[in-house]
Amino acid sequence: SQTIHQWPATLVQPVGSPLSLECTVEGTSNPNLYWYRQAAGRGLQLLFYSVGIGQISSEVPQNLSASRPQDRQFILSSKKLLLSDSGFYLCAWSRGVYYGYTFGSGTRLTVV
Amino acid sequence: AQSVTQLGSHVSVSEGALVLLRCNYSSSVPPYLFWYVQYPNQGLQLLLKYTTGATLVKGINGFEAEFKKSETSFHLTKPSAHMSDAAEYFCAVSDYNTDKLIFGTGTRLQVFP
Repeated sequence: SQTIHQWPATLVQPVGSPLSLECTVEGTSNPNLYWYRQAAGRGLQLLFYSVGIGQISSEVPQNLSASRPQDRQFILSSKKLLLSDSGFYLCAWSRGVYYGYTFGSGTRLTVV
Repeated sequence: AQSVTQLGSHVSVSEGALVLLRCNYSSSVPPYLFWYVQYPNQGLQLLLKYTTGATLVKGINGFEAEFKKSETSFHLTKPSAHMSDAAEYFCAVSDYNTDKLIFGTGTRLQVFP
C-alpha cells in the first residue's frame, strides 16, 4: 500500500534562518506531488506542485522554493524565513484527480 | 474554471443532531467531488468521493453525500453527530485541465454535548 511521510511534525525557527521540509511517498511511482500551507484560521493554499523529477510549478510568488530530486521525494525550502512563513505545511500525492489526494500528517512551522 | 463554495465557515450542532455541511461547485463538465476531514494538527483524510454512478455516496464514520447536478451541490450529512466528529471539513472539485483538486475554504464543525 502507499504511504506518505512528512517530517518534522513541529519546527520552531528564528527569522532569517533556512528551512528544509521533506516529504516522501512509498509504494507508488511517478506520483504528482503537492505542497500546501494553512495559515491560522485560513484554508488551504497550494504552494507548489510537481508532475515529475525536476519539474516544479509555483502557484504563488513567495519566500519559498521546492525541489524534487528523486521520483518520490519532495522538498520545501527557504533561504531566509520570514514571520509570515509560519503556518501548517502539508504535503500530498496523487495519481490523478480521479483518485483524489493523499495527505501527509503536516508540519507546524513557527517562525519567531 | 472550476470552483467550490462551502457555505458557513462554522457549524455548531448538538451531539445526536443531524449534521449538514454545504458544498456547491461550478464546473463546465461533470466533476469528481470529494469531502475531506481534518482533525487538529493533522493532515486531511478522505471521507468520501463521487466520480460516476450512484449519486448518493457513503463514506467513513457514517457520513454520506449526495451529488445533485441540477443544484450543483454535494452536501455532506450525518444523521447523528458524535463528539468525535468535531473537525474541519473540506469540499473539493476536480479540475481536469490542470489535473488538480480545487478546495473550498473549509467548514469547522463543533459538536456540543
